Amino acid sequence: NAGVTQTPKFQVLKTGQSMTLQCAQDMNHEYMSWYRQDPGMGLRLIHYSVGAGITDQGEVPNGYNVSRSTTEDFPLRLLSAAPSQTSVYFCASSYWGVGNTEAFFGQGTRLTVV
Amino acid sequence: GDSVTQMEGPVTLSEEAFLTINCTYTATGYPSLFWYVQYPGEGLQLLLKATKADDKGSNKGFEATYRKETTSFHLEKGSVQVSDSAVYFCALSATTGANSKLTFGKGITLSVRP
Repeated sequence: NAGVTQTPKFQVLKTGQSMTLQCAQDMNHEYMSWYRQDPGMGLRLIHYSVGAGITDQGEVPNGYNVSRSTTEDFPLRLLSAAPSQTSVYFCASSYWGVGNTEAFFGQGTRLTVV
Repeated sequence: GDSVTQMEGPVTLSEEAFLTINCTYTATGYPSLFWYVQYPGEGLQLLLKATKADDKGSNKGFEATYRKETTSFHLEKGSVQVSDSAVYFCALSATTGANSKLTFGKGITLSVRP
């Protein structure tokens, strides 16, 4: 099984550019989420989705958009990249809420905004 | 709000040494507690979990006991191996429903030398 697949693995953007980070899972999980990982700060939740057509904000949603048109895909959009968005981004999925079922993580996307 | 505090790192040990990584939490109610591990170049993966007080989670020789009286979930292993070198994250989820979220600690890097 592929599990959770994120693309690209690395990306360099200029300030003001937009891009979409892709996330796909093949486990038929209802719950998907995006985190950013910054040195000394652990992982912080950006947005999450409990099923197709349903999304909600996490702890640090500003500057990011998401949508969930299918169960499999949960893309993260940066509308106008800023240096403060330089980070490692992880997508995760789980069968149900992460409080009770294991979260499966992708390998991450390392984003640098210059 | 909910929070997780991990001991400061990094930690460097010799092979076969005893490992303890401290984790304390603040949360309302009765959270579920987790340890996730991130091996170099990979995403996070669940190491172990405990969902109620006095539960002990265990996996791959690692153990952690949910101590409600001290709000702690310390990770231990009796004899570490070089292959245990990774970043370890303590996390909690205050709820178990569809909208449950993970709150992570800052993570601690463990290096095990031969």
